[in-house]
Amino acid sequence: NAGVTQTPKFRILKIGQSMTLQCTQDMNHNYMYWYRQDPGMGLKLIYYSVGAGITDKGEVPNGYNVSRSTTEDFPLRLELAAPSQTSVYFCASIPAGVRYNEQFFGPGTRLTVL
Amino acid sequence: QKEVEQNSGPLSVPEGAIASLNCTYSDRGSQSFFWYRQYSGKSPELIMFIYSNGDKEDGRFTAQLNKASQYVSLLIRDSQPSDSATYLCAPGGANNLFFGTGTRLTVIP
Repeated sequence: NAGVTQTPKFRILKIGQSMTLQCTQDMNHNYMYWYRQDPGMGLKLIYYSVGAGITDKGEVPNGYNVSRSTTEDFPLRLELAAPSQTSVYFCASIPAGVRYNEQFFGPGTRLTVL
Repeated sequence: QKEVEQNSGPLSVPEGAIASLNCTYSDRGSQSFFWYRQYSGKSPELIMFIYSNGDKEDGRFTAQLNKASQYVSLLIRDSQPSDSATYLCAPGGANNLFFGTGTRLTVIP
């Protein structure tokens, strides 16, 4: 049971490039989330999913896209990278019943856009 | 805009003392309240959660909730150097948690 895994750990992008941040969980959790954390700040929700095929926007969705074709995977896509997207990205999951007390976070992806 | 306010600190306490961390929130609909600990460069780790008004104790940690005042706090008794971290408050509803910016705690040996 690996929990929540994220790849890559680090990435540097040039302005205008695109990339996909990968997130996988092996706990059969229904709910998955993408957060970003800017230096010295709390986490902001980008997108979330309540199950395969269902996604919805969070607080700061502009510039990002997601898909959820399987229960396990929830990739985050940046289409045209901008310096404002420099941040640490965390993926998280919780089981059905919105049991936040069983929430697991991945180790994060540190993204720099130059 | 749902807001969560925490004193960013840093809060410094001597080893063995009680550390008191406070949080106020704007969303009266919040039903669940969570405290996360985040070490530098690491992901958040859930340490306490509380749903009902009053106190909840778990080891050296006590969470206190007052929904009428929209206030939640975390007390850490017998503080240890290993407690030095940033503590994030996160009230939440059905599909989201709203995180505060965190309070940085330093426990001085």
